[in-house]
Amino acid sequence: NAGVTQTPKFQVLKTGQSMTLQCAQDMNHEYMSWYRQDPGMGLRLIHYSVGAGITDQGEVPNGYNVSRSTTEDFPLRLLSAAPSQTSVYFCASSPSGGPTDTQYFGPGTRLTVL
Amino acid sequence: AQTVTQSQPEMSVQEAETVTLSCTYDTSESNYYLFWYKQPPSRQMILVIRQEAYKQQNATENRFSVNFQKAAKSFSLKISDSQLGDTAMYFCAFMKYATGNQFYFGTGTSLTVIP
Repeated sequence: NAGVTQTPKFQVLKTGQSMTLQCAQDMNHEYMSWYRQDPGMGLRLIHYSVGAGITDQGEVPNGYNVSRSTTEDFPLRLLSAAPSQTSVYFCASSPSGGPTDTQYFGPGTRLTVL
Repeated sequence: AQTVTQSQPEMSVQEAETVTLSCTYDTSESNYYLFWYKQPPSRQMILVIRQEAYKQQNATENRFSVNFQKAAKSFSLKISDSQLGDTAMYFCAFMKYATGNQFYFGTGTSLTVIP
């Protein structure tokens, strides 16, 4: 098992550019989520999905889109990047998202928006 | 809304000594889970320990144990026999019992184990 993989590891964008952060898991987990981590702050939930075709907003969804067409993949799209979106992004998955599950986190993507 | 507060941005401990990291939280929920996650320099988030709020007994995992005080809304992590590999950021986190799905994280405590 590769676990949770994220690509790219690093990315630099200019303001207004768009891009997609990729997340994939090979554990057949129903629940996947995206977090951002800013300096001096804990991780904050952006969007999550409880299964293919089902997504919902988290704490800080503005400026981000997601879709879940397969169980394995959960891409995060930035439609028009802004400097405020400079952050480290983590994808996570678990069997059902419940509190007794073990959450598996990816290695993170460091995004800089100039 | 749930909030999680970690008031110690940085801590250090001598190798083989014991250290306690503090966490307080605020919630109106009666059933919930609390977690400690470790983030080493590799950035990988690793679950250290989990506590169910309705359980009186404090959770333990090898050298890691918690002091859970539900009335005081306090959830501290004790690391015994500290090792160099314990050097990391430690995050306290909260999750509602019923719906799950969303962690609320504290701002983290950077722990350095000194040889």
